[in-house]
Amino acid sequence: DAKTTQPNSMESNEEEPVHLPCNHSTISGTDYIHWYRQLPSQGPEYVIHGLTSNVNNRMASLAIAEDRKSSTLILHRATLRDAAVYYCILISYGQNFVFGPGTRLSVLP
Amino acid sequence: DAEITQSPRHKITETGRQVTLACHQTWNHNNMFWYRQDLGHGLRLIHYSYGVQDTNKGEVSDGYSVSRSNTEDLPLTLESAASSQTSVYFCASSESGASYTDTQYFGPGTRLTVL
Repeated sequence: DAKTTQPNSMESNEEEPVHLPCNHSTISGTDYIHWYRQLPSQGPEYVIHGLTSNVNNRMASLAIAEDRKSSTLILHRATLRDAAVYYCILISYGQNFVFGPGTRLSVLP
Repeated sequence: DAEITQSPRHKITETGRQVTLACHQTWNHNNMFWYRQDLGHGLRLIHYSYGVQDTNKGEVSDGYSVSRSNTEDLPLTLESAASSQTSVYFCASSESGASYTDTQYFGPGTRLTVL
């Protein structure tokens, strides 16, 4: 069961902001929103996670809609190293991560 | 620095052979996971463990087994390798407790080819 919907691919120019959307219209009150990314030929790596409030860390920002039915991962200045597949994951107590196909981000120089 | 390692990084085997993939973490994490990733798809959970002597089946556990005899290691065994098990395998670990807030740390992956 797909709990999240993401675009298959997106493009961005280097040094510009990138907004990666994720729809999760069936989110429950206890679902956390996690973002991971997978660089080419590497294992996934954690980016950010949140529950209700917007979150910021050194890698990115997570903007969560007021109704929590969608969220957006924001990379403030894309670099070539940010080219990866980005996964938006919902997870609640007692559950395990379910990775969908994600969004493949291409960064153009 | 703490890390999670997988070995071998590449493995070619024949149908019917038993294969064991190693995963070792020095984070002292209680939780460990095995995923497989097929071309163009996301990761699917095979088995996981929340501590020594604890193992649980994931979404795609048929044909795979794990055992947890210490905190650091969770080897994945393919009892009788099949061509459908050709994939990239990732091991991950997380600290403990609430998996829904934990960060999972992933290894570099093992590319397995079954001929």
